[in-house]
Amino acid sequence: AQSVTQLDSQVPVFEEAPVELRCNYSSSVSVYLFWYVQYPNQGLQLLLKYLSGSTLVKGINGFEAEFNKSQTSFHLRKPSVHISDTAEYFCAVTPPRGAGSYQLTFGKGTKLSVIP
Amino acid sequence: NAGVMQNPRHLVRRRGQEARLRCSPMKGHSHVYWYRQLPEEGLKFMVYLQKENIIDESGMPKERFSAEFPKEGPSILRIQQVVRGDSAAYFCASSPQGQNTEAFFGQGTRLTVV
Repeated sequence: AQSVTQLDSQVPVFEEAPVELRCNYSSSVSVYLFWYVQYPNQGLQLLLKYLSGSTLVKGINGFEAEFNKSQTSFHLRKPSVHISDTAEYFCAVTPPRGAGSYQLTFGKGTKLSVIP
Repeated sequence: NAGVMQNPRHLVRRRGQEARLRCSPMKGHSHVYWYRQLPEEGLKFMVYLQKENIIDESGMPKERFSAEFPKEGPSILRIQQVVRGDSAAYFCASSPQGQNTEAFFGQGTRLTVV
């Protein structure tokens, strides 16, 4: 079984400042990793995903994340945030194959508030 | 190419009534997943279906909840005799194959039980 911990439930940050949203996971097998964004009263939109290869993954809207296998982390970063980035962000994992490989296991989410 | 369509977007039911949530997957997608998001929680997997088959319902409550994905028409998540604790956002996702690496989510149905 897998689990995901998002260490911060809320992150306020000033506009144009950098931001890091933290995600740690626990799994007895290798996993694929994802970050999703949810705007108010909307569905989830995929920001980026790590399947294999380079540990630095670039996504949409200027976000990137780095997979650190030794620390079992997949932190999301953006060098300069905009008001429009205000949303809730979810980290998720899934095993690449075998039992449960079609289930995404989500963290509880981090609410990013960008302050003008 | 329309995305994953869920309806209704908002649903209010009185305790004891039935709730029916619909999900039309993206064109060409034959795999559907349902997730539930309780307040202040992340999404929790409920059930995975292919056309006419339930593949994994390990996340479904044992009673009152059922899901189907018929050969024709949308996938349906049915909740019988709703209780206040069923109030949540229910999301559907679809993928072309049974892999979440290519899953797309709908906008969800927000169920309120009064």
